Amino acid sequence: GAGVSQSPRYKVAKRGQDVALRCDPISGHVSLFWYQQALGQGPEFLTYFQNEAQLDKSGLPSDRFFAERPEGSVSTLKIQRTQQEDSAVYLCASSLPMWGHEQYFGPGTRLTVT
Amino acid sequence: EDQVTQSPEALRLQEGESSSLNCSYTVSGLRGLFWYRQDPGKGPEFLFTLYSAGEEKEKERLKATLTKKESFLHITAPKPEDSATYLCAVSGANSKLTFGKGITLSVRP
Repeated sequence: GAGVSQSPRYKVAKRGQDVALRCDPISGHVSLFWYQQALGQGPEFLTYFQNEAQLDKSGLPSDRFFAERPEGSVSTLKIQRTQQEDSAVYLCASSLPMWGHEQYFGPGTRLTVT
Repeated sequence: EDQVTQSPEALRLQEGESSSLNCSYTVSGLRGLFWYRQDPGKGPEFLFTLYSAGEEKEKERLKATLTKKESFLHITAPKPEDSATYLCAVSGANSKLTFGKGITLSVRP
């Protein structure tokens, strides 16, 4: 079946602009995660949804970052007033709702803030 | 706080030269240890999950093992197509994954 998809794949934003990144999880996966990956680093956790409920947002770096999953399927990560330090790859992952179950990742969105 | 340290940072092998990648971890209540492969410009690709010390899993030239403090990814007779970054991650008391920085493997023909 289809894997996790993300759009856009690449986004260039001018400093101060708002951006919205989309994630379509694997069908039937109720858990959805967002990670941020800087160049040469491993992914870092941002936030976690189970269905439409945002259960953990402890990794969001500032109140400029906001995520939603209103119908428990597609999710959007929004970054307001982008800064240069927001430049990174944003990865979305989905999994079955069981402890310790593997997460499947999308290709990521590469955000460059100029 | 969960922590993962991977070593070495980079590894260059000759085709056919077997080696091991190390992942040291500290976690509160291990729910799973995961290995992923990441190619440039792509998302991490799931390889293995290990749940308890002593567990081993194999896939083609790769074999993952787990102790209470470490995991190893053994690569037997690697080929150039095994070149990639290998990521180790743990899942603890919450559902999120905590990743190491990754090990960049280059296999020369």
